[in-house]
Amino acid sequence: DAGVIQSPRHEVTEMGQEVTLRCKPISGHNSLFWYRQTMMRGLELLIYFNNNVPIDDSGMPEDRFSAKMPNASFSTLKIQPSEPRDSAVYFCASAPGTQSSYEQYFGPGTRLTVT
Amino acid sequence: AQTVTQSQPEMSVQEAETVTLSCTYDTSESNYYLFWYKQPPSRQMILVIRQEAYKQQNATENRFSVNFQKAAKSFSLKISDSQLGDTAMYFCAFMSWNTGNQFYFGTGTSLTVIP
Repeated sequence: DAGVIQSPRHEVTEMGQEVTLRCKPISGHNSLFWYRQTMMRGLELLIYFNNNVPIDDSGMPEDRFSAKMPNASFSTLKIQPSEPRDSAVYFCASAPGTQSSYEQYFGPGTRLTVT
Repeated sequence: AQTVTQSQPEMSVQEAETVTLSCTYDTSESNYYLFWYKQPPSRQMILVIRQEAYKQQNATENRFSVNFQKAAKSFSLKISDSQLGDTAMYFCAFMSWNTGNQFYFGTGTSLTVIP
């Protein structure tokens, strides 16, 4: 299996622009998680989905952030408009989501820089 | 709410020596799971070891082992025969099905293996 795939790996954009991060989970996994990692705040859970349904989006910092999972093999995290404080590494992770197999598998991350 | 505390921001160890990373957590759940993840400079989050709370036996994966003290809510990671490739950030994480299958991560310990 190719593992969790994220694109792009690096994104540099100007303040005010729209940014879309993409994630393809491991095939057969039922749960998908979006995280943000910064030096100041560490690893933060933004939102997670079970069976394509958003379960908890309380970690989404504000209305500028939105996430979708239109099907089991694809999710997006969108920031509109972007701000310099959104600069971070964004990780997507997936998990089988069963009682016997629940560990999360992380993608390589997207390093976002907003200037 | 579940909280995970890693009180050692940075640690170092001589190559081939043994090092122990500390993790404590707070929960009212009785059935849960604990994990250690490694994040090397490549940024990739890698699962190192996991422990089910209902199991009394401490988990072991090659040079990595845990000391799980359920009553004390402590979950330390021991790395034996440290290698240069063990240099990384190490994150402790907690998950309980009763609170959703999201993970709660600690702030991480930066481990440097010195040649």
